[in-house]
Amino acid sequence: AQSVSQHNHHVILSEAASLELGCNYSYGGTVNLFWYVQYPGQHLQLLLKYFSGDPLVKGIKGFEAEFIKSKFSFNLRKPSVQWSDTAEYFCAVKGLDTGRRALTFGSGTRLQVQP
Amino acid sequence: NAGVTQTPKFRVLKTGQSMTLLCAQDMNHEYMYWYRQDPGMGLRLIHYSVGEGTTAKGEVPDGYNVSRLKKQNFLLGLESAAPSQTSVYFCASSYPGYVGQFFGPGTRLTVL
Repeated sequence: AQSVSQHNHHVILSEAASLELGCNYSYGGTVNLFWYVQYPGQHLQLLLKYFSGDPLVKGIKGFEAEFIKSKFSFNLRKPSVQWSDTAEYFCAVKGLDTGRRALTFGSGTRLQVQP
Repeated sequence: NAGVTQTPKFRVLKTGQSMTLLCAQDMNHEYMYWYRQDPGMGLRLIHYSVGEGTTAKGEVPDGYNVSRLKKQNFLLGLESAAPSQTSVYFCASSYPGYVGQFFGPGTRLTVL
């Protein structure tokens, strides 16, 4: 079975600080990986995704993530956060040969950016 | 396109009451999903459907039933609500060949 771990449950940063949120998954086969963001009071929105190719993927709003296959990781980064990045961030994985069509989500990381 | 919509947005129930949450999508997607979101637990799959007339259980199906009588609608039912079903419910849809999902705005349900 596939699973996703997000070890940082709550992160507090000041504006302009750099961000890295950890995501590790457990699945031995080929995976597609996602980061979703949920701003306060809103629904989940896709931030970025990795399907294949360049392991460094860039998403919206200056976010990027790096897929490191050997570490089963897909960490999210942003060089300089803004107050508007305050949100909850979810990592998700889909194993391509499981037959399972749904995504498996991590427990989420709540990011609070202080002005 | 309205995308994925959910009705209602908020609801408060008493223990033992029943209700149905409606998810609708206008993107002609084959696949639809119901998740629940609880603090510290992320999103967990309740039920899903890979096409009209078909449904399947997810990770946490107990206490819920679903129906997909029309391709564009996916209904989630609670026959006898319990406080443990207090949660935010998200519907999502997708289509063959795309592994991501499109999410609705969520329904916040409180069971007293």
